Amino acid sequence: DIQMTQSPSSLAASVGDRVTISCRASQSISNFSSWYQQKPGKAPSLLIYAASTLQSGVPSRFSGMRSGTDFTLTINSLQPEDFATYFCQQTYSAPYTFGQGSKLEIK
Amino acid sequence: EVQLVESGGGLVQPGGSLRLSCGASGFSFSSYWMSWVRQAPGKGLEWVANIKQDGSEKYYVDSVKGRFTISRDNARNLLYLEMNSLRAEDTALYYCARDFFSAYGYYYYYNGMDVWGQGTTVTVSS
Repeated sequence: DIQMTQSPSSLAASVGDRVTISCRASQSISNFSSWYQQKPGKAPSLLIYAASTLQSGVPSRFSGMRSGTDFTLTINSLQPEDFATYFCQQTYSAPYTFGQGSKLEIK
Repeated sequence: EVQLVESGGGLVQPGGSLRLSCGASGFSFSSYWMSWVRQAPGKGLEWVANIKQDGSEKYYVDSVKGRFTISRDNARNLLYLEMNSLRAEDTALYYCARDFFSAYGYYYYYNGMDVWGQGTTVTVSS
């Protein structure tokens, strides 16, 4: 199975900051990676797919990038509603494993 | 409105069985692959299984193979997860989700899950 190693597990930032969350795949998965946001008590929602394509309706302050087997989610100019937990997922082959999650908290 | 609504969760003893259901509305259910994803209390997400539009292909995570069965009824817009030989480690919130593919020429690429239900809780305990 493909492992997705996500970091950091938690981070604190302020409104207006720029933050970056990373995932490393255990093998080559091309661009087959997605990012989700999950708020407390809610289902996850898809933010980015194919490493860098923004899902419809997602604000442009979210962006994704791939370099080899490393994937990053960047949030520019953090807004209060962005404080949540973020998960990466590989969509290359089943089982479609997720990273461990990164909890973004207000500093 | 596109919607997924799970049901069927509950408390079950170790070794017991449970069947989860997911009702879909607001989209052409029979045109989509569908998935189950679970989340243990306070933990991350775990993809469990998915099923092709016509039910001819199914994939599972190793930890549930031979114990869980995913199925669907396209006439009734329902997705199921039959869970047998349940273990304490199966305790989780189970989400139903719609699979999202993109087409490029003759090929379809899997992008993850673009619509999620609110989940149904399964607790395995004596």
